[in-house]
Amino acid sequence: QVQIVQSGAEVKKPGASVKISCKASGYTFSLYAIHWVRQAPGQRLEWMGWITSGNGNTKYSQKFQGRVTIARDTSASTAYMELNSLTSEDTAVYYCARDQKGIRGYFDYWGQGTLLTVSS
Amino acid sequence: QSALTQPASVSGSPGQSITISCTGTSSDVGGFNFVSWYQQHPDKAPRLIIYDVSNRPSGVSNRFSGSKSGNTASLTISGLQAEDEADYYCSSYTSTSTQVFGTGAKVTVL
Repeated sequence: QVQIVQSGAEVKKPGASVKISCKASGYTFSLYAIHWVRQAPGQRLEWMGWITSGNGNTKYSQKFQGRVTIARDTSASTAYMELNSLTSEDTAVYYCARDQKGIRGYFDYWGQGTLLTVSS
Repeated sequence: QSALTQPASVSGSPGQSITISCTGTSSDVGGFNFVSWYQQHPDKAPRLIIYDVSNRPSGVSNRFSGSKSGNTASLTISGLQAEDEADYYCSSYTSTSTQVFGTGAKVTVL
């Protein structure tokens, strides 16, 4: 069965970086893109970017361009999202999700979410 | 990319039907049949309930249906049940190969 498991909660200081992992199992990792989505407390879902797990192509939201890096390790069936220059506004739950249809946004399986708290 | 516009809240009595709108532009909702809808209960990950405008994944109740007209997509929940009380988000593929989510709609079952 398909499972996506993310790394645990993080607490970071302003200006620091964070790297969150997203380990997939139960399917051929390289055949599906992975997207990253975040949700600040009480706020809406916000799309951050995607990576095609086969060839490693990426696309980022303009809002995060230059501050976010999405990567993958196909041997470990794991995707990563690194966010730099953190501020309190980055406090949110970060999700990764599998795209069933290329990069068209059919998020059929989601990770459990990783809470990032940015505080001095 | 601005968020797609949804009503902040929608309510209905058990058994009734409600419709949630999702308005974008010709660069996203209006330009592609790649609109998805997600249900999110408190402190849970979102769950896909509609993809490609009107298709339901396996296991999703047929009480959920989707449609699109021009730049506006819609999600209808028929035979409203207490378990349908949740937040609902639309999402669309865009002309720049990105994704954009809606502002979210809170459904309340009266």
